[in-house]
Amino acid sequence: DGGITQSPKYLFRKEGQNVTLSCEQNLNHDAMYWYRQDPGQGLRLIYYSQIVNDFQKGDIAEGYSVSREKKESFPLTVTSAQKNPTAFYLCASSTREWQPQHFGDGTRLSIL
Amino acid sequence: DQQVKQNSPSLSVQEGRISILNCDYTNSMFDYFLWYKKYPAEGPTFLISISSIKDKNEDGRFTVFLNKSAKHLSLHIVPSQPGDSAVYFCAASPDRRSEKLVFGKGTKLTVNP
Repeated sequence: DGGITQSPKYLFRKEGQNVTLSCEQNLNHDAMYWYRQDPGQGLRLIYYSQIVNDFQKGDIAEGYSVSREKKESFPLTVTSAQKNPTAFYLCASSTREWQPQHFGDGTRLSIL
Repeated sequence: DQQVKQNSPSLSVQEGRISILNCDYTNSMFDYFLWYKKYPAEGPTFLISISSIKDKNEDGRFTVFLNKSAKHLSLHIVPSQPGDSAVYFCAASPDRRSEKLVFGKGTKLTVNP
């Protein structure tokens, strides 16, 4: 069954630590995205990648970094520079048609 | 500046009745609109979309209506079922082939048995 796998489901970070959220897809999609959702808010775009070895900043990229070394994988690193990292993080992918985007089940990041 | 607005945070309807979820947008460059459904602790699931060249798109119990002059779209669910209880997000894009997607804050629908 094709889909998007995000791991872990829950993640805890200590102050000053970097953490990496995993996103893998086996849909053979070209484009991948990272969004952040805060309580009572819509999804906001952090980074997106349309092709391997290339990615673009979204609306709230500060304090985050990504890599796209393989078509199937688009990990997101939440760095210590992100001052308010507690949120629900969603990864998505799409074909070259770009829409619709298909989402994974998310990772909830909390600060200890 | 919120470009996609869902002004009702919640909506409650009886099973079997119609659910109408509303969405307004401010950016006239938006040309493609989508509705997603989200259960707690899961990712959003794509439901239905509409391009600005249409004013209606139907898929089973779900129909999306677009009024471009009013910058308003709505999602109708008929008949509503308890399993439809979820948060519904409206999203807009400048183009079907654009990677940009702007989301509203969502409306929590509760369908009572």
